[in-house]
Amino acid sequence: AQSVTQLGSHVSVSEGALVLLRCNYSSSVPPYLFWYVQYPNQGLQLLLKYTSAATLVKGINGFEAEFKKSETSFHLTKPSAHMSDAAEYFCAVSDGGATNKLIFGTGTLLAVQP
Amino acid sequence: DTAVSQTPKYLVTQMGNDKSIKCEQNLGHDTMYWYKQDSKKFLKIMFSYNNKELIINETVPNRFSPKSPDKAHLNLHINSLELGDSAVYFCASSQGEGYNYEQYFGPGTRLTVT
Repeated sequence: AQSVTQLGSHVSVSEGALVLLRCNYSSSVPPYLFWYVQYPNQGLQLLLKYTSAATLVKGINGFEAEFKKSETSFHLTKPSAHMSDAAEYFCAVSDGGATNKLIFGTGTLLAVQP
Repeated sequence: DTAVSQTPKYLVTQMGNDKSIKCEQNLGHDTMYWYKQDSKKFLKIMFSYNNKELIINETVPNRFSPKSPDKAHLNLHINSLELGDSAVYFCASSQGEGYNYEQYFGPGTRLTVT
């Protein structure tokens, strides 16, 4: 069965600093991996996804993630944090089956300090 | 132009009552979903419909019954509400069933059972 683990439920960075949000996955089949962002009182929005093409995936708002099979990781990064990046970030895995069933991690709350 | 809308946004009710949450998408998508997000922000899929047909039915109490009158609507009816049903419920939709189709989320319905 697929699962994802997000290390760090809360991450705080200074504006302009590197953002690194960690996600490790477990999957018995080649995984399809996603990062979603949830702004306060809103639904989730897709940031980026890995579907077995390039291992370095670029998403919206300057975010990117690298798929590392050897480390079973899919960490999310952004070179320079903005105040508007403050939100909850969710890593998710799909088994790639017909049902598009997503298994979510427990989320990481990103705070950006001025 | 809201892509995925839910009503109501907030719902406060007493234990034992029956309530419904409505979801509509104007994206022309074939597949719709219901997710539950608990107080710890853990997000878990409940149901998925494709062209009005149920394709995912997770381990959810049978007090929860989804209904899809047409492709654009997926409503969630909950009977005999319990305290543990308090959560944020998200509706989502995607163009198709497979992993390659992005899921678009609604703004959520915060259900509080007292």
